[in-house]
Amino acid sequence: DTGVSQNPRHKITKRGQNVTFRCDPISEHNRLYWYRQTLGQGPEFLTYFQNEAQLEKSRLLSDRFSAERPKGSFSTLEIQRTEQGDSAMYLCASSLNMNTEAFFGQGTRLTVV
Amino acid sequence: AQRVTQPEKLLSVFKGAPVELKCNYSYSGSPELFWYVQYSRQRLQLLLRHISRESIKGFTADLNKGETSFHLKKPFAQEEDSAMYYCAALNNAGNMLTFGGGTRLMVKP
Repeated sequence: DTGVSQNPRHKITKRGQNVTFRCDPISEHNRLYWYRQTLGQGPEFLTYFQNEAQLEKSRLLSDRFSAERPKGSFSTLEIQRTEQGDSAMYLCASSLNMNTEAFFGQGTRLTVV
Repeated sequence: AQRVTQPEKLLSVFKGAPVELKCNYSYSGSPELFWYVQYSRQRLQLLLRHISRESIKGFTADLNKGETSFHLKKPFAQEEDSAMYYCAALNNAGNMLTFGGGTRLMVKP
């Protein structure tokens, strides 16, 4: 599968623990996006990268959240001191450039207990 | 604030019946509108975008700026159309999609 890849697919963690998710975009896609989706809702934008630069961050991205894309290829999303409200599906997407189709990964489902 | 609204959480029709999934948007400027679909156990994927004016899998969507709507239509629903459908708007900077809450379409045999 040469599409957007996300790992792990599922993560169960205790409240207060830190978690890190990884996203591998489609090769040569310059843009990478993170979205969060809670049950019964559509995806909500979290942040976006143009190559290695993080250019946009949503207010949803509290200071417990940090995202990186160190070499402009894969990206990581870390959540520190997880809370039960962080339980959601975290989606990654990539696109070649502005206004081209965004391709989504399968997502990482986080459950905080 | 930018907002995309899908008023129906669930739409159930019989095979062969017409389908219309509603989408309304509240957006500054001239957003680009999309429909995404998610079939069972599959990832979210683009169905169509308004600028391409295509018909994909028999679906069409017309942008009505006066009513700020972008409803998705298909004249004859098929069982394989059963899925979650999300309407989305791309901001003017082209870097952020705002999604509606989604509509689950169930096509009964």
